[in-house]
Amino acid sequence: QSVLTQPPSTSGTPGQRVTISCSGSSSNIGSNTVNWYQQLPGTAPRLLIYTDDQRPSGVPDRFSGSKSGTSASLAISGLRSEDEAVYYCAAWDDSLKGVFGGGTKLTVL
Amino acid sequence: QVQLQESGPGLVKPSETLSLTCAVSGDSISPYYWGWIRQPPGKGLEWIGYIYYSGSTNYNPSLKRRVTISLHTSRNLLSLNLTSVTAADTAVYYCARGANVPAAISWFDPWGQGTLVTVSS
Repeated sequence: QSVLTQPPSTSGTPGQRVTISCSGSSSNIGSNTVNWYQQLPGTAPRLLIYTDDQRPSGVPDRFSGSKSGTSASLAISGLRSEDEAVYYCAAWDDSLKGVFGGGTKLTVL
Repeated sequence: QVQLQESGPGLVKPSETLSLTCAVSGDSISPYYWGWIRQPPGKGLEWIGYIYYSGSTNYNPSLKRRVTISLHTSRNLLSLNLTSVTAADTAVYYCARGANVPAAISWFDPWGQGTLVTVSS
């Protein structure tokens, strides 16, 4: 059971906009920043969004992050086949540990 | 461009100690955090802990009694020791660099490619 809750799966068609939710509590998302990681099949995770809504260089602006209260969201617009991956949210918990969501598998139909 | 490469035994016997190293190239150990994260086969990510370049550490409470993370600054190496392993410790182990900001707002970038460790007799 992950500390951060994500839907196990979602899907969309090319060109569509999809969102992935991440629900936490006052001890993690509610008081600290959220990061998102993308894990393509057979590869290591890579940073997609940091500090709630910041994109590292090299990440397309089709990816965006937001946060409100104890929940965060990742939005992907103009969906492409290469976006098919597992997406993880992450945050620091005030119990002094890092926590991840269980991951959301995105399928591009 | 910083690169991380994990290495260590792919097979460890139950009750023994899992020992991994992570070689950092292309940048210095300081002034960053350095973390270990693991992923059991077919499952999600679990934060193991981190070490700050100054040497201070922070471990997942569920693993704290068994885990030690160390830095070998002169060799640009990060290491992980996990004692008394069981089959539940079978996972891909990743090392990653944490941003030089307070841990509560930090993130991991980049990650190593990961190394699979299987615990079995």
